[in-house]
Amino acid sequence: KQEVTQIPAALSVPEGENLVLNCSFTDSAIYNLQWFRQDPGKGLTSLLLIQSSQREQTSGRLNASLDKSSGRSTLYIAASQPGDSATYLCAGPGGDKLIFGTGTRLQVFP
Amino acid sequence: DAGVIQSPRHEVTEMGQEVTLRCKPISGHNSLFWYRQTMMRGLELLIYFNNNVPIDDSGMPEDRFSAKMPNASFSTLKIQPSEPRDSAVYFCASRLRGVTMNTEAFFGQGTRLTVV
Repeated sequence: KQEVTQIPAALSVPEGENLVLNCSFTDSAIYNLQWFRQDPGKGLTSLLLIQSSQREQTSGRLNASLDKSSGRSTLYIAASQPGDSATYLCAGPGGDKLIFGTGTRLQVFP
Repeated sequence: DAGVIQSPRHEVTEMGQEVTLRCKPISGHNSLFWYRQTMMRGLELLIYFNNNVPIDDSGMPEDRFSAKMPNASFSTLKIQPSEPRDSAVYFCASRLRGVTMNTEAFFGQGTRLTVV
């Protein structure tokens, strides 16, 4: 059974810092992993999808990596901004299912 | 495409009443997921469909919950009778399931359900 864990649970940083959010999963036989962002009271917005054949994906200031052998994915946020404040969730498949971690709540202050 | 569309956005109902939540997936997507989100339990997968067929409903909490997908463009999640502990935000998501890989999953804006 796939279990997904995210560390840290919460993070508060000043603007401009480079950040690393961590996601661990138990079933290494995954074929993709997806990162989402959720603003308070809103739905989930897809940030990046990494297929198992890929090691990383980049979108703007975001870079996500996938290491199946260690069961880990990291989301790197460069030069953080107050607008990055949100909860970040990773989701790994358990078969056809998307299993979510509990998220990292990020606050970037000016 | 307008994305995944859920209705209603907010629902307040009295305990014991029937509640029906609706979802229109993205056109061309063949997998649909229903999730429930609470502060205590985070995002829980309730049920998912592939090609309109329910594949796994092991996350449905009780027999009071049922879901249908009569066609590729519409799904419902019904709670009958509703209870205060069902209060949560319910999300619908869809994606294209391929033979060797899946596309990104996209979420609707959710339905915030309050049972009083």
